[in-house]
Amino acid sequence: NAGVTQTPKFQVLKTGQSMTLQCAQDMNHEYMSWYRQDPGMGLRLIHYSVGAGITDQGEVPNGYNVSRSTTEDFPLRLLSAAPSQTSVYFCASSYSRLRPSYEQYFGPGTRLTVT
Amino acid sequence: GIQVEQSPPDLILQEGANSTLRCNFSDSVNNLQWFHQNPWGQLINLFYIPSGTKQNGRLSATTVATERYSLLYISSSQTTDSGVYFCAVFYGQNFVFGPGTRLSVLP
Repeated sequence: NAGVTQTPKFQVLKTGQSMTLQCAQDMNHEYMSWYRQDPGMGLRLIHYSVGAGITDQGEVPNGYNVSRSTTEDFPLRLLSAAPSQTSVYFCASSYSRLRPSYEQYFGPGTRLTVT
Repeated sequence: GIQVEQSPPDLILQEGANSTLRCNFSDSVNNLQWFHQNPWGQLINLFYIPSGTKQNGRLSATTVATERYSLLYISSSQTTDSGVYFCAVFYGQNFVFGPGTRLSVLP
């Protein structure tokens, strides 16, 4: 298993540009989520999905868009990048809470800088 | 919503020392995990421990769900243990993270 993969590892954008951060998992996990981590801080939830076709907002959803057309993929779109979106982005996945065990696994992260 | 607190916020140890990190949560949860974020930013699963005690080498964890806390023990610390330790609980629809404990192990 490759686990949770994210691309790209690094990205520099200009203000106003758009881009998509890719996330994929091969563990057949129902639950997937995106977090951002700012310097010296913990992880804040952006969006999450409990299954294909179902997404919902987390703590800091503004400026981001998601979709979940397959179980494996959960891309995060920045519609019009702003310097405040400079951060490290982590994707994570787990089985649903209906399973006996649903520990969360993280991807390696994408370091995004918006100038 | 649920509050997740971790203590201490920062910890500096000499190599070989032992330490205990604490995670308190304000409501009942069914899922608790401990993660280590290494200096390169990678988040590594340490324990999935909604209740009871688990051990993995020099690390062990105990969760007392009825009293709403979990403890992570690090024995004979090494410089490679440095980084930030997060606990996370599943509450409602989401995982909620504590603010982390930053551990520095000095040679």
